[in-house]
Amino acid sequence: EDKVVQSPLSLVVHEGDTVTLNCSYEVTNFRSLLWYKQEKKAPTFLFMLTSSGIEKKSGRLSSILDKKELFSILNITATQTGDSAIYLCAYDNYGQNFVFGPGTRLSVLP
Amino acid sequence: NAGVTQTPKFQVLKTGQSMTLQCAQDMNHEYMSWYRQDPGMGLRLIHYSVGAGITDQGEVPNGYNVSRSTTEDFPLRLLSAAPSQTSVYFCASSYESGSEQFFGPGTRLTVL
Repeated sequence: EDKVVQSPLSLVVHEGDTVTLNCSYEVTNFRSLLWYKQEKKAPTFLFMLTSSGIEKKSGRLSSILDKKELFSILNITATQTGDSAIYLCAYDNYGQNFVFGPGTRLSVLP
Repeated sequence: NAGVTQTPKFQVLKTGQSMTLQCAQDMNHEYMSWYRQDPGMGLRLIHYSVGAGITDQGEVPNGYNVSRSTTEDFPLRLLSAAPSQTSVYFCASSYESGSEQFFGPGTRLTVL
Protein backbone atom coordinates (compact mmCIF):
# COMPACT_ATOMS: atom_id res chain seq x y z
CA GLU A 1 0.00 0.00 0.00
CA ASP A 2 1.34 3.40 -0.97
CA LYS A 3 2.06 5.67 1.98
CA VAL A 4 3.82 8.84 3.08
CA VAL A 5 5.65 9.16 6.39
CA GLN A 6 6.66 12.50 7.84
CA SER A 7 9.02 13.16 10.73
CA PRO A 8 9.06 14.57 13.23
CA LEU A 9 5.32 14.84 13.77
CA SER A 10 5.83 17.81 16.05
CA LEU A 11 8.71 20.22 16.57
CA VAL A 12 9.27 23.25 18.82
CA VAL A 13 12.14 25.63 18.09
CA HIS A 14 13.13 29.21 18.85
CA GLU A 15 13.30 32.06 16.39
CA GLY A 16 16.53 31.98 14.42
CA ASP A 17 16.90 28.20 14.53
CA THR A 18 17.21 26.12 11.36
CA VAL A 19 14.86 23.16 10.96
CA THR A 20 14.77 20.16 8.65
CA LEU A 21 11.50 18.37 8.02
CA ASN A 22 11.50 14.89 6.53
CA CYS A 23 9.15 13.14 4.15
CA SER A 24 9.62 9.55 3.01
CA TYR A 25 7.34 7.62 0.73
CA GLU A 26 6.64 4.10 -0.39
CA VAL A 27 4.88 4.13 -3.72
CA THR A 28 4.38 1.94 -6.72
CA ASN A 29 4.50 4.81 -9.20
CA PHE A 30 5.91 8.27 -8.65
CA ARG A 31 5.37 11.44 -10.63
CA SER A 32 6.03 14.30 -8.21
CA LEU A 33 6.24 15.27 -4.55
CA LEU A 34 4.69 18.44 -3.20
CA TRP A 35 5.10 20.44 -0.01
CA TYR A 36 2.32 22.56 1.48
CA LYS A 37 2.16 24.93 4.46
CA GLN A 38 -1.05 24.98 6.47
CA GLU A 39 -1.63 27.74 8.96
CA LYS A 40 -5.08 28.26 10.38
CA LYS A 41 -7.04 27.37 7.28
CA ALA A 42 -6.31 25.90 3.87
CA PRO A 43 -2.95 24.45 2.79
CA THR A 44 -0.92 26.70 0.53
CA PHE A 45 1.53 25.42 -2.03
CA LEU A 46 5.27 25.63 -1.40
CA PHE A 47 7.16 23.37 -3.81
CA MET A 48 6.73 20.68 -6.42
CA LEU A 49 9.68 18.32 -6.91
CA THR A 50 10.01 15.91 -9.78
CA SER A 51 13.76 15.39 -10.25
CA SER A 52 16.35 14.08 -7.82
CA GLY A 53 19.07 16.35 -6.50
CA ILE A 54 17.69 19.64 -7.76
CA GLU A 55 17.09 22.04 -4.90
CA LYS A 56 14.13 24.38 -5.02
CA LYS A 57 14.34 27.59 -3.00
CA SER A 58 11.96 30.30 -1.95
CA GLY A 59 13.42 32.80 0.47
CA ARG A 60 14.40 30.97 3.65
CA LEU A 61 12.73 27.75 2.53
CA SER A 62 14.33 25.09 0.37
CA SER A 63 13.56 21.53 -0.56
CA ILE A 64 15.23 18.64 -2.31
CA LEU A 65 14.16 15.20 -3.49
CA ASP A 66 16.04 11.90 -3.51
CA LYS A 67 14.19 9.49 -5.78
CA LYS A 68 16.63 6.67 -5.17
CA GLU A 69 16.21 6.71 -1.38
CA LEU A 70 12.56 7.81 -1.66
CA PHE A 71 12.61 10.87 0.53
CA SER A 72 12.47 14.63 0.50
CA ILE A 73 13.50 17.27 3.01
CA LEU A 74 12.21 20.76 3.63
CA ASN A 75 14.67 23.18 5.22
CA ILE A 76 13.75 26.43 6.90
CA THR A 77 16.61 28.70 7.94
CA ALA A 78 16.44 31.58 10.44
CA THR A 79 12.95 30.58 11.51
CA GLN A 80 10.39 33.21 12.43
CA THR A 81 7.17 32.95 14.43
CA GLY A 82 5.28 33.27 11.14
CA ASP A 83 6.73 29.90 10.10
CA SER A 84 4.60 28.20 12.76
CA ALA A 85 2.29 25.89 10.83
CA ILE A 86 1.65 22.32 9.79
CA TYR A 87 3.86 21.29 6.87
CA LEU A 88 2.35 18.64 4.64
CA CYS A 89 4.01 16.59 1.96
CA ALA A 90 2.12 14.70 -0.70
CA TYR A 91 3.03 12.62 -3.71
CA ASP A 92 1.36 12.16 -7.05
CA ASN A 93 1.43 8.54 -8.15
CA TYR A 94 -0.07 8.93 -11.62
CA GLY A 95 -3.26 7.71 -9.99
CA GLN A 96 -5.10 10.94 -10.69
CA ASN A 97 -4.85 11.99 -7.09
CA PHE A 98 -2.43 13.00 -4.34
CA VAL A 99 -1.63 11.04 -1.19
CA PHE A 100 -0.80 13.21 1.82
CA GLY A 101 1.33 12.49 4.83
CA PRO A 102 0.16 13.27 8.38
CA GLY A 103 2.08 16.55 8.51
CA THR A 104 4.71 18.04 10.80
CA ARG A 105 3.47 20.64 13.28
CA LEU A 106 6.16 23.29 13.67
CA SER A 107 5.99 25.80 16.51
CA VAL A 108 8.48 28.68 16.51
CA LEU A 109 8.77 30.46 19.83
CA PRO A 110 9.91 34.09 20.09
CA ASN B 1 -10.67 35.63 -9.24
CA ALA B 2 -12.32 34.27 -6.11
CA GLY B 3 -10.28 31.04 -6.41
CA VAL B 4 -11.90 28.09 -4.63
CA THR B 5 -14.89 28.90 -2.46
CA GLN B 6 -16.66 26.65 0.00
CA THR B 7 -19.92 27.02 1.89
CA PRO B 8 -20.84 26.82 4.66
CA LYS B 9 -17.81 27.60 6.87
CA PHE B 10 -19.32 25.80 9.85
CA GLN B 11 -22.14 23.29 10.21
CA VAL B 12 -23.62 21.24 13.03
CA LEU B 13 -25.77 18.25 12.13
CA LYS B 14 -27.63 15.60 14.05
CA THR B 15 -26.96 11.95 13.34
CA GLY B 16 -28.98 10.82 10.33
CA GLN B 17 -29.41 14.25 8.75
CA SER B 18 -28.24 14.88 5.22
CA MET B 19 -26.59 17.95 3.77
CA THR B 20 -24.54 19.21 0.87
CA LEU B 21 -21.20 20.99 1.13
CA GLN B 22 -20.76 23.39 -1.74
CA CYS B 23 -17.51 23.96 -3.66
CA ALA B 24 -16.94 26.24 -6.63
CA GLN B 25 -13.89 27.45 -8.54
CA ASP B 26 -13.54 30.16 -11.16
CA MET B 27 -10.15 29.19 -12.57
CA ASN B 28 -11.51 26.83 -15.25
CA HIS B 29 -9.72 23.92 -13.59
CA GLU B 30 -10.54 20.45 -14.81
CA TYR B 31 -9.47 18.57 -11.70
CA MET B 32 -11.38 18.95 -8.42
CA SER B 33 -11.27 16.93 -5.23
CA TRP B 34 -12.65 16.67 -1.72
CA TYR B 35 -10.53 15.87 1.33
CA ARG B 36 -11.26 15.46 4.98
CA GLN B 37 -8.71 16.37 7.62
CA ASP B 38 -8.68 14.77 11.04
CA PRO B 39 -6.10 15.38 13.79
CA GLY B 40 -2.86 13.49 13.16
CA MET B 41 -4.06 12.03 9.86
CA GLY B 42 -3.24 14.65 7.29
CA LEU B 43 -5.60 15.03 4.35
CA ARG B 44 -7.51 12.01 3.09
CA LEU B 45 -9.10 11.98 -0.32
CA ILE B 46 -12.85 11.35 -0.40
CA HIS B 47 -13.80 11.78 -4.08
CA TYR B 48 -12.29 13.48 -7.07
CA SER B 49 -13.22 14.53 -10.58
CA VAL B 50 -11.04 14.92 -13.66
CA GLY B 51 -13.67 16.88 -15.56
CA ALA B 52 -17.38 17.61 -15.88
CA GLY B 53 -19.40 14.41 -15.81
CA ILE B 54 -16.53 12.29 -14.45
CA THR B 55 -16.08 11.38 -10.79
CA ASP B 56 -14.23 8.67 -8.93
CA GLN B 57 -13.70 7.44 -5.40
CA GLY B 58 -10.72 8.29 -3.26
CA GLU B 59 -9.42 6.69 -0.10
CA VAL B 60 -12.46 7.24 2.16
CA PRO B 61 -15.61 7.50 -0.02
CA ASN B 62 -18.17 5.70 2.16
CA GLY B 63 -21.07 7.88 3.28
CA TYR B 64 -20.41 10.57 0.66
CA ASN B 65 -21.67 11.25 -2.86
CA VAL B 66 -20.44 13.73 -5.44
CA SER B 67 -21.47 14.95 -8.86
CA ARG B 68 -19.81 17.23 -11.42
CA SER B 69 -22.42 18.67 -13.75
CA THR B 70 -20.32 21.76 -14.55
CA THR B 71 -16.61 22.55 -14.59
CA GLU B 72 -17.08 25.13 -11.83
CA ASP B 73 -19.03 23.20 -9.18
CA PHE B 74 -18.28 20.04 -7.22
CA PRO B 75 -20.74 19.53 -4.33
CA LEU B 76 -20.22 16.87 -1.67
CA ARG B 77 -23.31 15.20 -0.23
CA LEU B 78 -23.53 13.50 3.12
CA LEU B 79 -26.35 11.01 2.82
CA SER B 80 -26.97 10.19 6.51
CA ALA B 81 -24.54 11.98 8.79
CA ALA B 82 -22.66 10.01 11.44
CA PRO B 83 -20.44 11.25 14.30
CA SER B 84 -17.45 9.67 12.49
CA GLN B 85 -17.92 12.29 9.78
CA THR B 86 -17.07 15.08 12.18
CA SER B 87 -14.09 16.66 10.47
CA VAL B 88 -12.79 19.60 8.50
CA TYR B 89 -13.55 19.28 4.79
CA PHE B 90 -11.43 20.87 2.09
CA CYS B 91 -12.21 21.20 -1.58
CA ALA B 92 -9.30 21.66 -4.00
CA SER B 93 -8.85 22.24 -7.69
CA SER B 94 -6.01 22.15 -10.17
CA TYR B 95 -5.51 22.70 -13.87
CA GLU B 96 -5.01 18.95 -14.33
CA SER B 97 -4.22 15.99 -12.12
CA GLY B 98 -0.63 16.21 -10.94
CA SER B 99 -0.39 19.99 -11.00
CA GLU B 100 -0.44 22.35 -8.03
CA GLN B 101 -3.72 22.19 -6.12
CA PHE B 102 -5.52 25.26 -4.80
CA PHE B 103 -7.53 24.71 -1.66
CA GLY B 104 -10.73 26.30 -0.44
CA PRO B 105 -10.99 27.70 3.10
CA GLY B 106 -12.60 24.56 4.50
CA THR B 107 -15.87 23.59 6.19
CA ARG B 108 -15.82 22.53 9.82
CA LEU B 109 -18.56 19.93 10.29
CA THR B 110 -19.73 18.55 13.62
CA VAL B 111 -22.16 15.64 13.78
CA LEU B 112 -23.84 15.12 17.14
